[in-house]
Amino acid sequence: QVHLQESGPGLVKPSETLSLTCTVSGGSITSYYWTWIRQPPGKGLEWIGSIYYIGATNYNPSLKSRVTISVDTSKNQLSLKLSSVTAADTAVYYCASQSEYSGHVNFDYWGQGTLVTVSS
Amino acid sequence: DIQMTQSPSSLSASVGDRVTITCRASQSISKYLNWYQQKPGKAPKLLIYASSSLQSGVPSRFSGSGSGTDFTLTISSLQPEDFATYYCQQSYSTLFTFGPGTKVDIK
Repeated sequence: QVHLQESGPGLVKPSETLSLTCTVSGGSITSYYWTWIRQPPGKGLEWIGSIYYIGATNYNPSLKSRVTISVDTSKNQLSLKLSSVTAADTAVYYCASQSEYSGHVNFDYWGQGTLVTVSS
Repeated sequence: DIQMTQSPSSLSASVGDRVTITCRASQSISKYLNWYQQKPGKAPKLLIYASSSLQSGVPSRFSGSGSGTDFTLTISSLQPEDFATYYCQQSYSTLFTFGPGTKVDIK
């Protein structure tokens, strides 16, 4: 079974870049698409973007100008960078595997999530 | 963007109750609809994919139905561990979007 673990700073200053890493175990990062999803405290879920191991990406247009998702196959890790953050970017950030069944995409394995607070 | 709505936003129910949650898409999404369960402080868990397919390991008291714009998640007999927030999510568009959630708590 695939296991995902997010890591990174829990506090980021406004205007700086949020950087998170997701380490994948129990499976190869070349076997799935991978995605980042976030959830502001007490609110709903927002898809940030997805990546296939060869580097093909798909970003939420609302964040596209600030987001970079990448994969390091040698470390079985994916990463998220979100630039020019504001308080509105304060959220729990999840990485998840993105599976497909007959064209139906779903997010089947999730990390535990990591809270990132944007504050000076 | 495809907007997803859910109703009700919250409900109170008792153990053993049959619970139904509705999800509506702003345009037809065929059967490209997933359901997730989230407990406080935990990551969401996939329950149902492709509108009605039960994810491996999910109890059979959970079921999903619908196509087009209207979808339903049903819990046939609510168990104590089912008190949680439930989210629908469309995968018809690759701009994946979630519903706002339905919180199920104890009456």
